[in-house]
Amino acid sequence: DVKVTQSSRYLVKRTGEKVFLECVQDMDHENMFWYRQDPGLGLRLIYFSYDVKMKEKGDIPEGYSVSREKKERFSLILESASTNQTSMYLCASRLSGLAYEQYFGPGTRLTVT
Amino acid sequence: QKEVEQNSGPLSVPEGAIASLNCTYSDRGSQSFFWYRQYSGKSPELIMFIYSNGDKEDGRFTAQLNKASQYVSLLIRDSQPSDSATYLCAVNSGSNYKLTFGKGTLLTVNP
Repeated sequence: DVKVTQSSRYLVKRTGEKVFLECVQDMDHENMFWYRQDPGLGLRLIYFSYDVKMKEKGDIPEGYSVSREKKERFSLILESASTNQTSMYLCASRLSGLAYEQYFGPGTRLTVT
Repeated sequence: QKEVEQNSGPLSVPEGAIASLNCTYSDRGSQSFFWYRQYSGKSPELIMFIYSNGDKEDGRFTAQLNKASQYVSLLIRDSQPSDSATYLCAVNSGSNYKLTFGKGTLLTVNP
């Protein structure tokens, strides 16, 4: 079974802190994604990566950065956390190609106070 | 911008009824279509995918695709309270990398 894991299920941080969210997948997928999900707004893509050290902005990249130094690991960084970044963060991965599904991690509920 | 539209719901059906969930997409070049189920507080999980026009059945679930009309639907027969969840439609619009997701439809099945 494909497995996507995230470093924390719940996280509480203070405004201004630097926050790291880690994601690891074990199925050699080229593509990895970070979304945030808020009530009424659906899944919104923050960043994605299609190869090691490669990244592309999604729909809402402001306030975030990412890092992909190894194929299996994709990190999301909040340089200076703000209260409007309180959300559910979901990592996902998939193989390249039209026919492949996307697998999601369990999610990290981040609260910024 | 490529868009995937779903009714947000909530869609409420009695237990044992057929639930019908619809999704339209804007990119006529879209080639693969996915339905995900997301329980409250959990992450999305794949239910079905469909690539060809017509129907695809898997147990109580049927996906229907009409590329000419640019819609895809999910039918759930003999709905159960355990089917109560948000259903997300996702479309691959020619990108090798990523899927475009709708905002989801909340389904409630009443005992």
